[in-house]
Amino acid sequence: NAGVTQTPKFQVLKTGQSMTLQCAQDMNHNSMYWYRQDPGMGLRLIYYSASEGTTDKGEVPNGYNVSRLNKREFSLRLESAAPSQTSVYFCASSDEGYSGNTIYFGEGSWLTVV
Amino acid sequence: AQSVTQLDSQVPVFEEAPVELRCNYSSSVSVYLFWYVQYPNQGLQLLLKYLSGSTLVKGINGFEAEFNKSQTSFHLRKPSVHISDTAEYFCAVSIYGGSQGNLIFGKGTKLSVKP
Repeated sequence: NAGVTQTPKFQVLKTGQSMTLQCAQDMNHNSMYWYRQDPGMGLRLIYYSASEGTTDKGEVPNGYNVSRLNKREFSLRLESAAPSQTSVYFCASSDEGYSGNTIYFGEGSWLTVV
Repeated sequence: AQSVTQLDSQVPVFEEAPVELRCNYSSSVSVYLFWYVQYPNQGLQLLLKYLSGSTLVKGINGFEAEFNKSQTSFHLRKPSVHISDTAEYFCAVSIYGGSQGNLIFGKGTKLSVKP
């Protein structure tokens, strides 16, 4: 069972470079999410997509863009990376419906911006 | 808006001892409550959740949590911990009827189980 798969797992970027984090889920879920995790901060939502064709900003969207390519895939793009974007990024998915649904997470992408 | 506070950032405990990880929330409307666990270098996975009904919720790996509306708490407990329970635990809250982008996580509690 693959679940939620995200790539790359590790990446080092120089300030100003761009990159895209890829995410795919095989659970036929409608909703997908991108979170960032920083020490002592818990998880904070960057963007989410309630269904194919829709995206919405979360708590910390500045400096990021997303694309819901199809039902399975949801990518996160950093157009001009900054050291403040050094973090662990998690993609996640859930079935649609209501806010009591369980969210399923990928294993994370460690990004360092130097 | 809702918020969640995990009262302890780190909890060290000896193997086979009981443990309680504390979580308090704030919301003006009804909520759903969750505990997620993150093992080292992995993503988060659901431990248990409270949606409605019985206030005592049982989860995986012998954990349970009790929803206390009057004290706005959702503390996680295990009567006897194992080394393998060493992980970071996150309490989370979402608003009843809200969007799924509405899930708010606490800052986490690192449980360290020592032999």
